[in-house]
Formats: sequence, C-alpha cells, structure tokens
Amino acid sequence: AQSVAQPEDQVNVAEGNPLTVKCTYSVSGNPYLFWYVQYPNRGLQFLLKYITGDNLVKGSYGFEAEFNKSQTSFHLKKPSALVSDSALYFCAVRDVIPTNAGKSTFGDGTTLTVKP
Amino acid sequence: SQTIHQWPATLVQPVGSPLSLECTVEGTSNPNLYWYRQAAGRGLQLLFYSVGIGQISSEVPQNLSASRPQDRQFILSSKKLLLSDSGFYLCAWTLARREQFFGPGTRLTVL
Repeated sequence: AQSVAQPEDQVNVAEGNPLTVKCTYSVSGNPYLFWYVQYPNRGLQFLLKYITGDNLVKGSYGFEAEFNKSQTSFHLKKPSALVSDSALYFCAVRDVIPTNAGKSTFGDGTTLTVKP
Repeated sequence: SQTIHQWPATLVQPVGSPLSLECTVEGTSNPNLYWYRQAAGRGLQLLFYSVGIGQISSEVPQNLSASRPQDRQFILSSKKLLLSDSGFYLCAWTLARREQFFGPGTRLTVL
C-alpha cells in the first residue's frame, strides 16, 4: 500500500522569502516521488520527481525537493518565493512495482499563498 | 510532443441525465490512462484506470463507468447523473517511470 501526507492545508510566505511545502510518504518498496502544481480551474502541472540518484532534485520554476529516506519525506522548497508561485501544490508517491499500473497516490494538497 | 485533450471544458447537466466526457492523448502509444475527480479544489480521487484497450479498473463503486475503445481514447460515462457527481474531472496518462500528464479538466455541475 502507498500513502502520502501533506500536513499543512495552507502555507503563507512573503515574497522573496524561502518557502517549504511538506510531504511525507509511505510505500512498501522503493518510491517514485512527484510534485505537481495546480492553478485555478486548470489541470495539474508536473514540477519535479525523484526516481533514483541524487537526493536533491531540481525542477521547474526554481523549485527543488530533497528526498530523505530515513524520514520518508520529500519536502518542496524554493529559495525566494514569487507572488506567481501562489497555487495548490500536490505531492504524489508511486510504489516501484510493475503491477500497480503506474498509479500514484496524491496528497490532499497545500495551498501556497505568497504575499507581496 | 505529447498532448492530452479533454472536452467539454464545462458542462451543466440536470439530475438524471446521461454523461459522456472524452479524453484523447496524442504523441504516445499504449499509455496508462486515468480518470480523477477533484472536489472543491482539493484532493484527487482516482475513479478509473486503464492499462490497455478495453481494460478498465474501477477504484471506487459509484454511478460512473469508463471505457477505452481506442489506445489513446478514454471515456467517462454515466446513465443517470446524481447531484454528488458534480466536480472537476481530470484525465491523465503516464508511461513506465514517468510522471503523470494531466488534461485541462472538465467542470461538471449537476443541478
């Protein structure tokens, strides 16, 4: 079984400050981990993923995430937030087993608000 | 490059009417396909997925059904809509170790 938790419904930061959106996961095997962003009334857009290799993953729009196996976490970070980063962010996990049909489990989402 | 289309973009239907939402993918072959519903801009609920033509798996029992008549076509249907079917419906595809690619979504309002 696989699950993911985003403990914060809402994150508020000031423009120019660093931001962190938290994610923890649970899988029976090794995980594939993903972050997506959603703007109002739009589909989800892929930001970055961890498959294997370097624990620090860099993605689109200056975002990065660090895979921490011991803490089963994959927090999303950005050194300097922009107002345009305000959106709904989803963390997702997929167990690395061929039989799960590529199904990902998504967190409930965290609304990021960046204030000018 | 790959693209994914969904239509219609918005739909307002009376309770008890039928439903057909369509999703098509271009630029890839034999993708895994998914239908999600999102309520009130929050989490995604996986409704159906498909690993091939005619192969449909249902994640939750409900008033909806899905079909995959062609490799890159995925259809979500209902014979009689309920108020609780209202929501934002998203289609997505993936291959192997890749991320999921989402369509633009269909906003369904059942009155």
